[in-house]
Amino acid sequence: DAMVIQNPRYQVTQFGKPVTLSCSQTLNHNVMYWYQQKSSQAPKLLFHYYDKDFNNEADTPDNFQSRRPNTSFCFLDIRSPGLGDAAMYLCATSRGGSTDTQYFGPGTRLTVL
Amino acid sequence: GDSVTQMEGPVTLSEEAFLTINCTYTATGYPSLFWYVQYPGEGLQLLLKATKADDKGSNKGFEATYRKETTSFHLEKGSVQVSDSAVYFCALRITSGTYKYIFGTGTRLKVLA
Repeated sequence: DAMVIQNPRYQVTQFGKPVTLSCSQTLNHNVMYWYQQKSSQAPKLLFHYYDKDFNNEADTPDNFQSRRPNTSFCFLDIRSPGLGDAAMYLCATSRGGSTDTQYFGPGTRLTVL
Repeated sequence: GDSVTQMEGPVTLSEEAFLTINCTYTATGYPSLFWYVQYPGEGLQLLLKATKADDKGSNKGFEATYRKETTSFHLEKGSVQVSDSAVYFCALRITSGTYKYIFGTGTRLKVLA
């Protein structure tokens, strides 16, 4: 049973055309994360939420925004995608405790033409 | 700041060979430690974890022991299979004032039949 679901799995957009990636979870976890991953490098944290408390990484470009309308859903909005934004985008969740595991979705592969 | 250092890959082994992937960490406090595996085109999956010193995590024939004295969490498997070919990430959960995880750069393993 899928616990962290990402849609779509593959997204193609044009340079500068806004795109939204979706993540949902059935785990009822407090924390949701968005990562960017390029070419099997380490995932790079963009931001995370504890419930509705939003935490942005200092080096996350302003081009990237996020929304968490409820516990189950979280969205990543890329306002004006550039060629350098082509990557795998991973959503993850955790309960928030210091020993808790982080659970990942399958990822969305974004292509920018 | 907290960090994770992994041995660089790729690691190429023959089937049934012994595997070691080194991981060391720098952290304040007593972080929980994780190994994740990523197969091509997929998200990260938890392989094993350890939450305190001398704990041994194990799963699917893989093992890693939390060594506080050497700040290490090396991944081992006695006999690898072709299906173990993937990228392996060592990670730690920062203990104080945040919900973030830190990942190593990943080690690609290729197992030849």
